[in-house]
Amino acid sequence: AQSVAQPEDQVNVAEGNPLTVKCTYSVSGNPYLFWYVQYPNRGLQFLLKYITGDNLVKGSYGFEAEFNKSQTSFHLKKPSALVSDSALYFCAVREGYGGATNKLIFGTGTLLAVQP
Amino acid sequence: DAGVIQSPRHEVTEMGQEVTLRCKPISGHDYLFWYRQTMMRGLELLIYFNNNVPIDDSGMPEDRFSAKMPNASFSTLKIQPSEPRDSAVYFCASALTETDTQYFGPGTRLTVL
Repeated sequence: AQSVAQPEDQVNVAEGNPLTVKCTYSVSGNPYLFWYVQYPNRGLQFLLKYITGDNLVKGSYGFEAEFNKSQTSFHLKKPSALVSDSALYFCAVREGYGGATNKLIFGTGTLLAVQP
Repeated sequence: DAGVIQSPRHEVTEMGQEVTLRCKPISGHDYLFWYRQTMMRGLELLIYFNNNVPIDDSGMPEDRFSAKMPNASFSTLKIQPSEPRDSAVYFCASALTETDTQYFGPGTRLTVL
C-alpha cells in the first residue's frame, strides 16, 4: 500500500535562511508526488509536483523539491525563507497511471514557522 | 476561473440534524473529490466522482454519509443524522484527470454540538 511520511511536525527557521521540509514515500510503482501549502482557515494550495523528468522540480513562491528515487524522498526546499512562508505543508503521493490504487495519500503535515 | 467553490464556509448544528455541504468544481474538470480534515486523522479522502459518477466511496465513514453529483457543476455531501465526532473541515477538490493536480476549495468548517 502506498504511504507518505513527514517526519517533522514542525520546522523552525530564521527569515533569510534556507529551509527544508522532509517527505518520504512508499509506492509499488512509479510515484506521482505533490506538495501543497495550507494557510490558516484556508484550503490547500498546490505548490509543485513531480510526475517524470528532471528530478528537481520548481514551483510557486520560490519553492522547489528534489525527487530522489533511491532514498524514496521528495523534500521541499527554499533558498531563503520569508515570514510569509509560515504555514502548514503537506506532501502527497499516488501511484502513477495504471497503478493499483487511484487515491492521493497525504502526509500528516509539517508546520513551518519562520522567525523574523 | 473562480476556483473550487464551497458553501457554507462555516456550519454549526446540533447532534441529530441533517447537514448538507455543497461544492462547485472548476469548470471542465471531470474529477471531484471530497476530503475530511481532522487533527486526529489528518486529511482523508471520503469519495470521488468521475463525470458525475461515484468511483470510490470506500472512505465514507458510515451510512450516515452520502454524496451526490447531479451534474458536472455541483456536488453535495450530506450527513444525516450528524454527530459531534463529525466535526471537521470538509474540503472539495477537482481535477482535469485522475492523475492531474487536484485544486482545493476553501473548505467548510462543520461543528456538531
